[in-house]
Amino acid sequence: DGGITQSPKYLFRKEGQNVTLSCEQNLNHDAMYWYRQDPGQGLRLIYYSQIVNDFQKGDIAEGYSVSREKKESFPLTVTSAQKNPTAFYLCASSIRGQETQYFGPGTRLLVL
Amino acid sequence: SQQGEEDPQALSIQEGENATMNCSYKTSINNLQWYRQNSGRGLVHLILIRSNEREKHSGRLRVTLDTSKKSSSLLITASRAADTASYFCATDAWQAGTALIFGKGTTLSVSS
Repeated sequence: DGGITQSPKYLFRKEGQNVTLSCEQNLNHDAMYWYRQDPGQGLRLIYYSQIVNDFQKGDIAEGYSVSREKKESFPLTVTSAQKNPTAFYLCASSIRGQETQYFGPGTRLLVL
Repeated sequence: SQQGEEDPQALSIQEGENATMNCSYKTSINNLQWYRQNSGRGLVHLILIRSNEREKHSGRLRVTLDTSKKSSSLLITASRAADTASYFCATDAWQAGTALIFGKGTTLSVSS
């Protein structure tokens, strides 16, 4: 059953805490992406990776970090430096950049 | 950096009617894609149209692309309540190897 999975579905963060969102794909895609979605804002690109061990900042990378140690995995850490982290986070993958993207179900991050 | 902008922001129609939404973009593209998002879910790819194509069909969907006007339209014919969702256009940036840029979306409500 091929696809892209994100966990958890809901995540709660306390002040000053770092949290990590998981994204895994078994589609054998080279490229992976993280987006943030706020109401009425559409999708904004946080980070993307075209190949293992390489990634680039998107439009709103401040307060976030990523790693790409394996082709299948692209975890996103929301650090304490991100002052307004409440949002819906979407992970996606594609065979290569700028082609059709396949999205996971999303993680909703809330601040306690 | 918002490349695509959808219009209208919201659209309400009756079942059986056609729904048309538009996307305008600013710079040259290689392709333009349309995605659908049901509330609280990930995005699903609907259709991709390349810059050398003018029209493309997929089931009840018809997409047009006018590169001279830097615009695209998505037509959903004979709408159903299940078509209720947000629809996003996405364009590739002019630089190769970078990520897609999504617009803010059109929210479509189809009532029965």
